[in-house]
Amino acid sequence: GAVVSQHPSWVICKSGTSVKIECRSLDFQATTMFWYRQFPKQSLMLMATSNEGSKATYEQGVEKDKFLINHASLTLSTLTVTSAHPEDSSFYICSAQPYRGDLFDEQFFGPGTRLTVL
Amino acid sequence: GDSVTQMEGPVTLSEEAFLTINCTYTATGYPSLFWYVQYPGEGLQLLLKATKADDKGSNKGFEATYRKETTSFHLEKGSVQVSDSAVYFCALGDSSYKLIFGSGTRLLVRP
Repeated sequence: GAVVSQHPSWVICKSGTSVKIECRSLDFQATTMFWYRQFPKQSLMLMATSNEGSKATYEQGVEKDKFLINHASLTLSTLTVTSAHPEDSSFYICSAQPYRGDLFDEQFFGPGTRLTVL
Repeated sequence: GDSVTQMEGPVTLSEEAFLTINCTYTATGYPSLFWYVQYPGEGLQLLLKATKADDKGSNKGFEATYRKETTSFHLEKGSVQVSDSAVYFCALGDSSYKLIFGSGTRLLVRP
């Protein structure tokens, strides 16, 4: 149980195009999902927190117009990288937190999506 | 701001060797501390956690003790196996309940 999937697992796109990454909780409902970005040999950096049915909360320095997050249902959140540029190339990881009434309950992580922008 | 520093890898050990991966943190307040593990091709999984000073988290033979005086949460295992080969991330839960990760340490265990 507690499986989170991401699709696609890797994507290559041309500069200026938009790319959508999906994050799904397969066997539980997630009231909160998180999006992280990871550069090679560096930490996972939290980009934004999304709650089902409301606007995402972005971390300082993250461009909300470039990284559009939608959490339309309790099992699906999407991250759209708009007008992608080579500096957006990275490993994007999502996590999902089931509602159990505990603010700091475990997050379950997806396997990540590698984005390469040419 | 809050941060986590962990030793760089890769760490290469022979099977049945003793493992220590160092992790120190900087935080205001009293964070919760976590170790996550990422096996090849899989997502991060919670390995163990500790929520207050002197707590010891343990799972699958791994242990880590929350040391407030040294702001550390070192991961240890007495006898590693080949199947323990993975990337290990130390993390803290800050006052707003977000996770702040270290850079990860790759462990390679040879038969």
